[in-house]
Amino acid sequence: AQTVTQSQPEMSVQEAETVTLSCTYDTSENNYYLFWYKQPPSRQMILVIRQEAYKQQNATENRFSVNFQKAAKSFSLKISDSQLGDTAMYFCAFTPYTGTASKLTFGTGTRLQVTL
Amino acid sequence: SAVISQKPSRDICQRGTSLTIQCQVDSQVTMMFWYRQQPGQSLTLIATANQGSEATYESGFVIDKFPISRPNLTFSTLTVSNMSPEDSSIYLCSVGYSSSVGSTAFFGQGTRLTVV
Repeated sequence: AQTVTQSQPEMSVQEAETVTLSCTYDTSENNYYLFWYKQPPSRQMILVIRQEAYKQQNATENRFSVNFQKAAKSFSLKISDSQLGDTAMYFCAFTPYTGTASKLTFGTGTRLQVTL
Repeated sequence: SAVISQKPSRDICQRGTSLTIQCQVDSQVTMMFWYRQQPGQSLTLIATANQGSEATYESGFVIDKFPISRPNLTFSTLTVSNMSPEDSSIYLCSVGYSSSVGSTAFFGQGTRLTVV
């Protein structure tokens, strides 16, 4: 069974600053996907970024990037130039590679507050 | 990407009654997933809905409490039966989607259920 751990229940960052959210996971799988999802108060789960385990290059999406360390089973999310709209719960998630993203195992989430 | 419509978006129900949540996808998908998010918690998988076969339930969830239908490749329903206040949660449906850039899980907007 897989487990996903997010050790930071809450974090705060000032607007325009950079923040890093931590995620570690445990699995015996060799091929898998890792995701970061954002859940604002609207409760919609929004995909932030995705990483395929077989890719060594870290994924980036505009202001969002990850630091994927496969050997350490670590998958942190860096948000640059933080904006007020980034305020949300952030969930790290894992799914084994089956060709199509299958059922996800989620971490407990990190509540991020962006302040002026 | 996949567009998922989930209804109702919220409901307040009396204990002992049942509520059926609908999930409609704009493309055909093999598997659909139902998650529960209890207040302030992460997402937990309830079951996987396969077209043409019985749903597969995760540990701690049973068909009598959460019956699922999957009549075709674009639609599924989750029923929360004989509700109690402990069933107050957000329920989300999800699908896996593959494209040339990889696989991703998409979510409906969720159903906020309050049982009184």
